Amino acid sequence: AQKVTQAQTEISVVEKEDVTLDCVYETRDTTYYLFWYKQPPSGELVFLIRRNSFDEQNEISGRYSWNFQKSTSSFNFTITASQVVDSAVYFCALGTSNTGKLIFGQGTTLQVKP
Amino acid sequence: NAGVMQNPRHLVRRRGQEARLRCSPMKGHSHVYWYRQLPEEGLKFMVYLQKENIIDESGMPKERFSAEFPKEGPSILRIQQVVRGDSAAYFCASSPREAGMNTEAFFGQGTRLTVV
Repeated sequence: AQKVTQAQTEISVVEKEDVTLDCVYETRDTTYYLFWYKQPPSGELVFLIRRNSFDEQNEISGRYSWNFQKSTSSFNFTITASQVVDSAVYFCALGTSNTGKLIFGQGTTLQVKP
Repeated sequence: NAGVMQNPRHLVRRRGQEARLRCSPMKGHSHVYWYRQLPEEGLKFMVYLQKENIIDESGMPKERFSAEFPKEGPSILRIQQVVRGDSAAYFCASSPREAGMNTEAFFGQGTRLTVV
């Protein structure tokens, strides 16, 4: 079975704090890919990153970084020096090579207070 | 190159009416995916279509919901006799071929359906 778990329902931090959003996935496929999306209050889905299963290299993009660990089936997302504009719902999603559909986690609502 | 266009952005229907949600994929894309996001939940896959074919409808409710992607024109998600529980955001994504390891699917901005 394919599953994505985002155990943190809501996180509240004060601006400039670092915050990590957890994502744990389950799949029996050896080839798969993972996403993070941001959904701001306006409702659209904003693509943040995609990582394929054969690429465990961590990635940093500005204040955003991602830690992909196959050994623990986790793909965590860290925001450094958070800002109020980072307030949104963040979704982790899993796709497998034999189908184009994505399995989404329940989402983590991040609130960054000034 | 315009992105995936969904319309309307917001749709209000009374219980028992029909809702039609449209999705125009990106230019050159012949694969469309529909997802539903119930309030305070993640997105759930509904259906995957190629031009004139339904490939995977494993996430579609058995009754009242249908989808099509004709040779010409947008993909349509149709909900007959809407009920309050159908209130949700409906997202469409498109890709040039089956989305997978080497092919990205791009999401539209969603249609927010409210049933009153």
